[in-house]
Amino acid sequence: ELKVEQNPLFLSMQEGKNYTIYCNYSTTSDRLYWYRQDPGKSLESLFVLLSNGAVKQEGRLMASLDTKARLSTLHITAAVHDLSATYFCAVDSYTGNQFYFGTGTSLTVIP
Amino acid sequence: DAGVIQSPRHEVTEMGQEVTLRCKPISGHDYLFWYRQTMMRGLELLIYFNNNVPIDDSGMPEDRFSAKMPNASFSTLKIQPSEPRDSAVYFCASSPGTGFTDTQYFGPGTRLTVL
Repeated sequence: ELKVEQNPLFLSMQEGKNYTIYCNYSTTSDRLYWYRQDPGKSLESLFVLLSNGAVKQEGRLMASLDTKARLSTLHITAAVHDLSATYFCAVDSYTGNQFYFGTGTSLTVIP
Repeated sequence: DAGVIQSPRHEVTEMGQEVTLRCKPISGHDYLFWYRQTMMRGLELLIYFNNNVPIDDSGMPEDRFSAKMPNASFSTLKIQPSEPRDSAVYFCASSPGTGFTDTQYFGPGTRLTVL
């Protein structure tokens, strides 16, 4: 079974600071996805990364994918309180028939 | 568009009872996914459909779980009989033509509690 690990699991950061969330996965895949979940809410798709070296940015969030290292990063620039949420990465299997979520990173941005 | 619609939003039932969760995907989306979220196991893909046909159900935990998609605008996830360990939030999601590689739109979820 493909394993997807995120770190850190919990992150508390001050407004205005930068930080990176890491997502490692255990098998070959070119496709990685980032989601956001607010407490008690559903999931919202943030980024779809479909090739090695893919980089996507939306506002203060930037995601990248290194398929050789089996690593994706979600970089937060100048954090604001509205970014407080849990962030999940996910990978679909090499066969494309299964979808595995990471453990999630709970982000709290402190004013 | 109203987005993905799930019902009920909350369900409390007793062990041994049958539970049916319902999902209406976004119109025009070819893919429908059922997920489960628990504290212990995180988010898990249970089953997904393409054009109403089940493609992979390897995530369905047991034979007590079944899912159908009789038409493009409706899907059900049934648990019979239900057990306390089935307590979770069940999400339905839909996406346009390319499945996983396209953006998935999640419904609000059904919070199931089995006593």
